[in-house]
Amino acid sequence: EVQLVQSKAEVKKPGDSLRISCKASGFSFNTYWIGWVRQMPGKGLEWMGIIYPGDSETRYSPSFQGQVAISADKSVTTAYLQWSTLKASDTAMYFCATSLGDYAGHSFHIWGRGTVLIVSS
Amino acid sequence: SYELTQPPSVSVSPGQTASITCSGDKLRGVFVSWYQQKPGLSPLLVLFQDRKRPSGIPERFSGSSSGDTATLTISGTQAMDEADYYCQAWDSSTAPVFGGGTKLTVL
Repeated sequence: EVQLVQSKAEVKKPGDSLRISCKASGFSFNTYWIGWVRQMPGKGLEWMGIIYPGDSETRYSPSFQGQVAISADKSVTTAYLQWSTLKASDTAMYFCATSLGDYAGHSFHIWGRGTVLIVSS
Repeated sequence: SYELTQPPSVSVSPGQTASITCSGDKLRGVFVSWYQQKPGLSPLLVLFQDRKRPSGIPERFSGSSSGDTATLTISGTQAMDEADYYCQAWDSSTAPVFGGGTKLTVL
């Protein structure tokens, strides 16, 4: 079964660092783009960036360039989203998604269930 | 980067046709996808490559694209279609982009 399993909810303080994960299974992890989407409370979906695990090519949306780091570990078929210094404004739901087969290159039809991040002092 | 513009809200009566537009000056030559999101759930792909339906998506969902505007049409709208809908485009050299989202109300 093709699936993306995301790490558990996190509660952090401003200034903390964090890495959340997205474990892929059921497909060739190396050969499809996988990406991260932010949804702030009551707001719309925002693409943060995508990574191609085969060669680690990463593309960031302009709003997120320099704010987060996206990476992938082929050995454990897992994608990561990392912050070095969290802010209260990072409080959001974070989804990972991938684009396979007929959908590759234009659509994302496999989604994780999301990781809730709360950043509060 | 580029921007995609959607109407914030659309209302439709049950059984009628709902249309949601997505416009952007860079949509020409780029495929548009549409996602449905219900409260508390992950997005669900309902259309890809402008007009194709993934397996399991009802035929009442259709799409079109012309010039710089793509349109999601829901024929015979049902109460279960009430949700937020997002268009998305992805060209070959950047990260994908979502529209701002449209809240579809069935009343």
